[in-house]
Amino acid sequence: EVQLLESGGALVQPGGSLRLSCAVSGFTFSTYPMTWVRQAPGKGLEWVSAIGSGGSGTYYADSVKGRFTISRDNSRNMLYLQMNSLRAEDTAVYYCARHGATPRDFDYWGLGTLVTVSS
Amino acid sequence: DIVMTQTPLSSPVTLGQPASISCRSSQSLLHSDGNTYLSWLQQRPGQPPRLLIYNISNRFSGVPDRFNGSGAGTDFTLKINRVEAEDVGVYCCMQSTQFPRTFGQGTKLEIK
Repeated sequence: EVQLLESGGALVQPGGSLRLSCAVSGFTFSTYPMTWVRQAPGKGLEWVSAIGSGGSGTYYADSVKGRFTISRDNSRNMLYLQMNSLRAEDTAVYYCARHGATPRDFDYWGLGTLVTVSS
Repeated sequence: DIVMTQTPLSSPVTLGQPASISCRSSQSLLHSDGNTYLSWLQQRPGQPPRLLIYNISNRFSGVPDRFNGSGAGTDFTLKINRVEAEDVGVYCCMQSTQFPRTFGQGTKLEIK
């Protein structure tokens, strides 16, 4: 069974840093690109970042470029999102998702982890 | 960026009746590889998103056949035949033809 479990969400002050993790199981992690998507409270979905299966190709939304870094450890089946210089507008539930069959769609999603940026 | 616009934003439906949601993109989603990367997601209350449809009309594993996607270019539709109580939630289209990936605002499906 494919499973994705995010962790690392917390309350952090503006300007602070946080690292999110996504532990995966039930599939060969190293062969799938992965993505982070966020959802601000009561709002719609916003794509944040993606990474290729080998970790070499990374992509970012303009809103996080230069502040967030996506990475992965295929030996540990882990996906990460390092978030620096956090702003109030980064407050959201962050989901990790696996790229699917195409592989441009997102076929499996984690439950999400809440990041709150506030003083 | 490609802007995805959904209509309606809210859809009250009677159980057993059909529902239809439209999604329009600001530019064609036809990729140079010949595929159109338009998918539909369902988000039930308090749950993460769930993939329903990919590449316009392909149902993901385990998705009931009452969910059907159609369209081409810039205009797409999700139709639900005979809405059931478990279908309550927000439906969202997403394009993955170009970076950044972008989503529609979401359509809230509720039972009358």
